[in-house]
Amino acid sequence: NAGVTQTPKFQVLKTGQSMTLQCAQDMNHNSMYWYRQDPGMGLRLIYYSASEGTTDKGEVPNGYNVSRLNKREFSLRLESAAPSQTSVYFCASKGSGSGPYNEQFFGPGTRLTVL
Amino acid sequence: AQSVTQLGSHVSVSEGALVLLRCNYSSSVPPYLFWYVQYPNQGLQLLLKYTSAATLVKGINGFEAEFKKSETSFHLTKPSAHMSDAAEYFCAVSGAGNTPLVFGKGTRLSVIA
Repeated sequence: NAGVTQTPKFQVLKTGQSMTLQCAQDMNHNSMYWYRQDPGMGLRLIYYSASEGTTDKGEVPNGYNVSRLNKREFSLRLESAAPSQTSVYFCASKGSGSGPYNEQFFGPGTRLTVL
Repeated sequence: AQSVTQLGSHVSVSEGALVLLRCNYSSSVPPYLFWYVQYPNQGLQLLLKYTSAATLVKGINGFEAEFKKSETSFHLTKPSAHMSDAAEYFCAVSGAGNTPLVFGKGTRLSVIA
């Protein structure tokens, strides 16, 4: 049981390049989330998927797109990377009951630098 | 709407001293509250959570938190700090249903030998 996995762990992009961050969970969770973490800002929600086939914007969605490929996988795409997107990105998933008392489980993160 | 305020972006304590990390919440519904810890270069790990079963919640590594509705607080404490407690700590409040957790900005804990 690997939990939540993310690839890649590190990435350096040039301004204008595109890339997709991959996330997968093996806990049969319905809900999945993408956050970015910046110093002094805590975790800010980019997009989430409450269930397979649905996605919703979070606090900071501009410049990103997401795909809930199936129940296990939730990818985050940067179409044209900008230096302001330099950050650590975390994927999370939430228990199959999806009640408000269920915790979110986090992946190890992807460190992205945009030059 | 839910929100969380963590007082103090950085707290420094001596080894063996009391750890107190403050969290105040705002919620339009009965809140479910969480504390997460993040060690350097790692993801977030659940320390403890409040789900209305008991106001004093015990978590991992000797941490505990007390839910005080009258003060809208959920402060995290540990009687005796250890060097291994140095990390960043996040308080979070649950949205209703499948909505995501709302996180505070975090408090970095330093432990001095």
